Amino acid sequence: AQTVTQSQPEMSVQEAETVTLSCTYDTSESNYYLFWYKQPPSRQMILVIRQEAYKQQNATENRFSVNFQKAAKSFSLKISDSQLGDTAMYFCAFMRGTSYDKVIFGPGTSLSVIP
Amino acid sequence: ETGVTQTPRHLVMGMTNKKSLKCEQHLGHNAMYWYKQSAKKPLELMFVYSLEERVENNSVPSRFSPECPNSSHLFLHLHTLQPEDSALYLCASSQDGAYEQFFGPGTRLTVL
Repeated sequence: AQTVTQSQPEMSVQEAETVTLSCTYDTSESNYYLFWYKQPPSRQMILVIRQEAYKQQNATENRFSVNFQKAAKSFSLKISDSQLGDTAMYFCAFMRGTSYDKVIFGPGTSLSVIP
Repeated sequence: ETGVTQTPRHLVMGMTNKKSLKCEQHLGHNAMYWYKQSAKKPLELMFVYSLEERVENNSVPSRFSPECPNSSHLFLHLHTLQPEDSALYLCASSQDGAYEQFFGPGTRLTVL
């Protein structure tokens, strides 16, 4: 069975600084997708970034980038130039490479951006 | 309305009540999901519907009953719930092949 672990329940970062959120997963699958979702306080969960396991290149979306280490089964999220609006719960998620399949979420990391 | 909407946003019910949660997606997607989000626990997938047919049921208690009358609407019927069922219930949708899920704002359920 697949599992997703986020070892940092809470983190904080100064505004404009860089922070890295860690995520590890366990699977025997070779074809899968990894995601980072963001859930701001009292607001809807939205996708931050997606990584296909077959791609070696790390995904990047503006200030958000990932460090995908397939052999180590690690998928960390780096947020550069942190902004107050980045304050949220961040969930790492795993999905097998088939449609409608189960998406497994990690327990989440609560990130606070301090002015 | 755009995206994924859920009603009601807040619900308080007694253990003997029957209520329903509603989800509607305005994105033209063909799959819809119910999740349970409890404090201090990971998001739990409850049900998945693809093209209006249920494809995943993670051993959810029968006091939760889903219904998907068409690809845009999803319901979660609740009856004789327990206090431990109090949680945020999230609805999501996706399009086959895209994998990304779009979430609604959730219904905060409190069972007394």
